[in-house]
Amino acid sequence: DAKTTQPPSMDCAEGRAANLPCNHSTISGNEYVYWYRQIHSQGPQYIIHGLKNNETNEMASLIITEDRKSSTLILPHATLRDTAVYYCIVSPFEAHNQGGKLIFGQGTELSVKP
Amino acid sequence: NAGVTQTPKFQVLKTGQSMTLQCAQDMNHNSMYWYRQDPGMGLRLIYYSASEGTTDKGEVPNGYNVSRLNKREFSLRLESAAPSQTSVYFCASSLAFKDTQYFGPGTRLTVL
Repeated sequence: DAKTTQPPSMDCAEGRAANLPCNHSTISGNEYVYWYRQIHSQGPQYIIHGLKNNETNEMASLIITEDRKSSTLILPHATLRDTAVYYCIVSPFEAHNQGGKLIFGQGTELSVKP
Repeated sequence: NAGVTQTPKFQVLKTGQSMTLQCAQDMNHNSMYWYRQDPGMGLRLIYYSASEGTTDKGEVPNGYNVSRLNKREFSLRLESAAPSQTSVYFCASSLAFKDTQYFGPGTRLTVL
């Protein structure tokens, strides 16, 4: 599986957009980019995933570069409840969903401040 | 709709004691999973149940057993707890074996 690199921490002002970057320069053609978050003392929460095209759902947007070597998760209007560790994971769709490994790595600790 | 629930939330055991971690989901999901998460590390899959009536080993099954009691419930048993099993245990479920997983709040287990 491709390895990901994320900044260890970021701050964001409440109400502003939070842009969380992820580098995955060794991503393979069949690997998706997944984003999860883990709020302190809670279980991981799925946010969004994509292969090539940009994706948007009710929680966030995912922007994947044309060469697929990096991506950005965007929380459009961050709230205090978005304070969490955000994990970028690349995995083949089959491996990700076949009861399989979710290799979370270190993630980015996002602090949303009033 | 509670999602995935786990009991207990916290547990302290002595080496050699046994216990069962309970997990239930009310989303009518077919697949369920048990993970452990150690400090600074990602999740590691212990066991999973792709559908009611089936269970399979994951990445780190040694020292654990599971039971898929029915479609809703999937329990994890430690027969003889060891300090190396001190961890946070997460249960997850998904609609089908290839779908996104939804996690419970976790059980924090300490083995002395």
